[in-house]
Amino acid sequence: EAEVAQSPRYKITEKSQAVAFWCDPISGHATLYWYRQILGQGPELLVQFQDESVVDDSQLPKDRFSAERLKGVDSTLKIQPAELGDSAMYLCASSLSSLSGNTEAFFGQGTRLTVV
Amino acid sequence: QQQVKQSPQSLIVQKGGISIINCAYENTAFDYFPWYQQFPGKGPALLIAIRPDVSEKKEGRFTISFNKSAKQFSLHIMDSQPGDSATYFCAASKEEYGNKLVFGAGTILRVKS
Repeated sequence: EAEVAQSPRYKITEKSQAVAFWCDPISGHATLYWYRQILGQGPELLVQFQDESVVDDSQLPKDRFSAERLKGVDSTLKIQPAELGDSAMYLCASSLSSLSGNTEAFFGQGTRLTVV
Repeated sequence: QQQVKQSPQSLIVQKGGISIINCAYENTAFDYFPWYQQFPGKGPALLIAIRPDVSEKKEGRFTISFNKSAKQFSLHIMDSQPGDSATYFCAASKEEYGNKLVFGAGTILRVKS
């Protein structure tokens, strides 16, 4: 069964260090999303890609967060420097295409980040 | 305008009972309303979804009721089972906004056997 792959599953990092998360969407999915889920809350969108282009990064804290999807397939989300408030689950999701009206998004298992 | 409000925060139901979770939205432009189920340590998984042109959708034990005029929708889980114990999120999106999902805060459901 096709699934969204994320790594690492867990990451502990010290404050002010850099950290990176990787996501491999379901094959053929043009749209990729990164969401952040703080414990006890619903996921919130950080950035959305259509192929290799960013279509929405309005909620991405660009002073410390960056995201790329260079070849329109897998994606990396980076935080530098990490802050205590960044501790959360980072979820990657993909869908066939946000342009086609096909709306079902499939989520990966997420990366649990703890900043100490 | 972008908020989705979900209630209750937590719910305890006896095995075989009906679980009901409610959501309200503000933005009338939303045109897709999914429910996601999330188990601890896992990502959310789509359970059932509805579009505003219908008032109800049923899949097995799961039913979405949709009230467009009230801007509310709800999830009903019939014959609730211990395996249904999870966190449930309602969400809303619009194709014009790139189908990005706006989530409710979640409901922790516990089904007692």
